[in-house]
Amino acid sequence: DGGITQSPKYLFRKEGQNVTLSCEQNLNHDAMYWYRQDPGQGLRLIYYSQIVNDFQKGDIAEGYSVSREKKESFPLTVTSAQKNPTAFYLCASSIKGPGGYTFGSGTRLTVV
Amino acid sequence: AQSVSQHNHHVILSEAASLELGCNYSYGGTVNLFWYVQYPGQHLQLLLKYFSGDPLVKGIKGFEAEFIKSKFSFNLRKPSVQWSDTAEYFCAVNARNAGNMLTFGGGTRLMVKP
Repeated sequence: DGGITQSPKYLFRKEGQNVTLSCEQNLNHDAMYWYRQDPGQGLRLIYYSQIVNDFQKGDIAEGYSVSREKKESFPLTVTSAQKNPTAFYLCASSIKGPGGYTFGSGTRLTVV
Repeated sequence: AQSVSQHNHHVILSEAASLELGCNYSYGGTVNLFWYVQYPGQHLQLLLKYFSGDPLVKGIKGFEAEFIKSKFSFNLRKPSVQWSDTAEYFCAVNARNAGNMLTFGGGTRLMVKP
């Protein structure tokens, strides 16, 4: 079955550490996205990539970094510069046209 | 830039009650509109979408939404809710000149009491 796999499902990080969240898709989608979901704030865009080796900042990119070396993969690194990293992180992908997104099941990151 | 407002953050209904969740967007151009649902512990799934044509669109599980261009609205409705409809619902907008980018509303958390 085609879909998006996010791992791990739960992640704990100590303050001051960087951590990388994995997102892999086998849908042959060109575009991939990272969102952060906080209660009452909906989904806020962190980074997106429309094509391999290219990515753009979203609305809340500070403290995050990404790479897009392969079409299937779009890992997100939460750096120590992110002041409030505890959140639920969602990865999505889409075709080039406006067909909507397919979402992964998310990673819940907790900083301890 | 466009924005999306969902005015009801929390809604509590009894089974068989009718549901209407509001969604308004701010963008003057042509848009595509979506409703997504997130059941507890599950990923977001597409409920329905509107691109063009009949402004009343029907989605899965008995949901429908009506696009009213003059009101910049795309409200979600269901005549009779079930306990299994308990979930968080997100409205999203794609401006036609923004490629495939979606802007999401803040979400509405629906609880249906059995």
